[in-house]
Formats: sequence, C-alpha cells, structure tokens
Amino acid sequence: AIQLTQSPSSLSASVGDRVTITCRASQGISSALAWYQQKPGKAPKLLIYDASSLESGVPSRFSGSGSGTDFTLTISSLQPEDFATYYCQQFNSYPPSLTFGGGTKVEIK
Amino acid sequence: EVQLVESGGGLVQPGGSLRLSCAASGFTVSSNYMSWVRQAPGKGLEWVSVIYSGGSTYYADSVKGRFTISRHNSKNTLYLQMNSLRAEDTAVYYCARGFLGTSRDQSWDYYYMDVWGKGTTVTVSS
Repeated sequence: AIQLTQSPSSLSASVGDRVTITCRASQGISSALAWYQQKPGKAPKLLIYDASSLESGVPSRFSGSGSGTDFTLTISSLQPEDFATYYCQQFNSYPPSLTFGGGTKVEIK
Repeated sequence: EVQLVESGGGLVQPGGSLRLSCAASGFTVSSNYMSWVRQAPGKGLEWVSVIYSGGSTYYADSVKGRFTISRHNSKNTLYLQMNSLRAEDTAVYYCARGFLGTSRDQSWDYYYMDVWGKGTTVTVSS
C-alpha cells in the first residue's frame, strides 16, 4: 500500500508568514493528491485536489504543487483562521483504498 | 443546500453492533461516490469504506468482514453497519461525498471528498 509521509508534524508560525507543508508518497502517484484542513472538533474541509486545483470557495492564499512522490501545500500569508491541522490524501484504484498522511498541525507562534 | 448529517453513534460494548446513518440533502446519494472516514481521539484521519455510484463497495483492511456500507436510495441515506466492534473502533465517524477523476497526465485516478458531515461519535467500551 502507498504510504504518505507529511512533514513537519507540527509547526509554529505567525500571522503573515509563508507556510509550506510537505507530503511524500512512497511511490509515484502522478498528481492524484488532495489536501484538507481540519479545525478542532470540526469535519475536514477540502482545500486542493489533483495536487494543485483549488476547491471552489477556498482562498487563493492556499496553493498546492507537486507530482510523482513529492507534494507541497503552501499558505502564502498565514491568517488567524488558518491555524488548524492539514492532511494530504491519495487514492489507489486497484483495489480501491484511500490513504491519509499523518497530519501537520499549524500553531500560533 | 448540500448537506450530510450523521446519526446513530453511541456507547457499545466490545463485540456489539451499531448502525450509523448519513442523511443527505441537496444531492442524490446513489448518483455519487460516498465514503466513511473515522478519527480516533487525538489521532489522524482513517478511511473506512467507500460505495461507488454503481454499487461496488470497498473497505479498509481494519474493518473488512465486520463493517458493511450500504445506501437506501429512496431515503437518500448512506449507512455503515458495524459488527464485532472493538475498542480500537472508537472514533468520530464522518460520511463524505466523493469525486473520482483522472490526473492531468491521465496516468492515475484520484478521489477527493468535497462534502463532509459533522460526524457521529462511536465509543466501544465495557
């Protein structure tokens, strides 16, 4: 099964900072990666799909890039409402299964 | 408004059973890919099961043979029947609408979940 490794597992940043989170797949998955944001006690929210496509309604300060095994989620200017945990996720077709990364918690410095 | 509302969680003894429901509004469950994802206390997200629009069902190894995903078309509702529950099944269970597509270079399928319910809590304990 394909594994997803996120780094760092947590980070501290200030409002206005540029933040980058990395997700590495154990084998190539083309651009088939999604990113989610989850706040405490809330359901995950889709941010990015197909590695770099921004979900409708998601602020443009969020961007995704990468292909193959290495992917990044970038927040260009961190806002107070962005403090949350972020997860990457990929999909295997045969047999169908989904895998999440371990998560990256973004905290206030 | 597109919405998912889970129900049916609760406290159950090890070895017991529980059926979760996920009522959809604003879209048709049977025309979409639908998943269950869970999150144990203080842990990350774990995929549980998916049902395709065509009716095919798939499960994580951790629940295979114990859990069954299904849907009731006229009620526009998704279900998760959970049997032989274990302490490690304790989690918040989310249902989510999925979308299946193909990557830009056409070499890999992707699946993402764009609508999520608020979750229902399952606690397995004696």
